[in-house]
Amino acid sequence: NAGVMQNPRHLVRRRGQEARLRCSPMKGHSHVYWYRQLPEEGLKFMVYLQKENIIDESGMPKERFSAEFPKEGPSILRIQQVVRGDSAAYFCASSPLRDTLLLAKNIQYFGAGTRLSVL
Amino acid sequence: KQEVTQIPAALSVPEGENLVLNCSFTDSAIYNLQWFRQDPGKGLTSLLLIQSSQREQTSGRLNASLDKSSGRSTLYIAASQPGDSATYLCAVLTVDQAGTALIFGKGTTLSVSS
Repeated sequence: NAGVMQNPRHLVRRRGQEARLRCSPMKGHSHVYWYRQLPEEGLKFMVYLQKENIIDESGMPKERFSAEFPKEGPSILRIQQVVRGDSAAYFCASSPLRDTLLLAKNIQYFGAGTRLSVL
Repeated sequence: KQEVTQIPAALSVPEGENLVLNCSFTDSAIYNLQWFRQDPGKGLTSLLLIQSSQREQTSGRLNASLDKSSGRSTLYIAASQPGDSATYLCAVLTVDQAGTALIFGKGTTLSVSS
């Protein structure tokens, strides 16, 4: 059972280009979370998705950032017109179908991350 | 708004020492608290999860405690080894976030010398 797979591991973009980060959750997991780790900062929540639904995007910047988790295929975090301040490590995590009553046991499994560098 | 603080930010110890990493959080309304390990350039590995109703969890040489009322957790590492060198992150799953987001501290970077 493969873990959470993120690709690419490293991504270099020039200012103004688009960045697409992909995340395949663990088999059987239907919940995906995206986090961003800026240099010298802790991980910050960005967005929480289930298949075909955005559940919580309270951590997403209002502009240029979007996320999706289609019925088929990986979750995609898309950054349009990248700027140098977008340079960071982006981590995806997944968890199995969540029962509210079992939230205390909810473990999020993390991928290895995508390191985005904007030149 | 939940905030998580980890002290110290960095720690260097010789091999074989027992050590304690500290984590504090401002809002005691949490579902659970997790300790993660992050190696340079790598992802996060979950070490221990303590549910809000629990006081501690143990795995091998690791022991984590939780005092929810005072907003504190400690990670105890016994007989440290060079392979324990990494950044250790504490994160809470907070009730007022509807259980969706982990709130992370900035981590403690541990260096164990042989």
